[in-house]
Amino acid sequence: DVKVTQSSRYLVKRTGEKVFLECVQDMDHENMFWYRQDPGLGLRLIYFSYDVKMKEKGDIPEGYSVSREKKERFSLILESASTNQTSMYLCASSPFDSANTGELFFGEGSRLTVL
Amino acid sequence: AQSVSQHNHHVILSEAASLELGCNYSYGGTVNLFWYVQYPGQHLQLLLKYFSGDPLVKGIKGFEAEFIKSKFSFNLRKPSVQWSDTAEYFCAVISMNRDDKIIFGKGTRLHILP
Repeated sequence: DVKVTQSSRYLVKRTGEKVFLECVQDMDHENMFWYRQDPGLGLRLIYFSYDVKMKEKGDIPEGYSVSREKKERFSLILESASTNQTSMYLCASSPFDSANTGELFFGEGSRLTVL
Repeated sequence: AQSVSQHNHHVILSEAASLELGCNYSYGGTVNLFWYVQYPGQHLQLLLKYFSGDPLVKGIKGFEAEFIKSKFSFNLRKPSVQWSDTAEYFCAVISMNRDDKIIFGKGTRLHILP
């Protein structure tokens, strides 16, 4: 089974702190994604990556950055956390396979609270 | 721009009731369509998908969805729901243009009364 592992299930940080959210997948997938999930707003794409060292902005990249130094790992960085970044963060991966385009495998999520 | 609209934000049903969750998308070309489900405390997972062929697709746990191209719809159905179907359901669409990304609807919270 595909496994997408997010390093922290729950985090509490203070405004202005730097936050790292780590995600690792074990299926050699090329594509990786970071979403945030908020009630009533669904899933919103923050950043994605189609390959090592590559990154693309999603719909809401402001206040976030990402790093993909290895194929299996995709990190989300909040340089200076703010209260409006309190949310559930979901990592996902998918193969670069046109036959399965759009099928994502999700991690369990990281619930971040910024005080 | 592509968009996905889920008609119901919150649905409450009794066990054994029939379920239909609406999903419409806006895109004129070829698309792949999905329903994802998130059970309480669990990760988001694929419920079913449509890529091509028979427009009536069957997924896990007795769910099915019908793709109606003329209506740009992909409604999710289940004839008889169970308490364990309590979850949040997301419709999603991606166009066959490689530059496009998957777009999710805002989700429908389904609550089944025992």
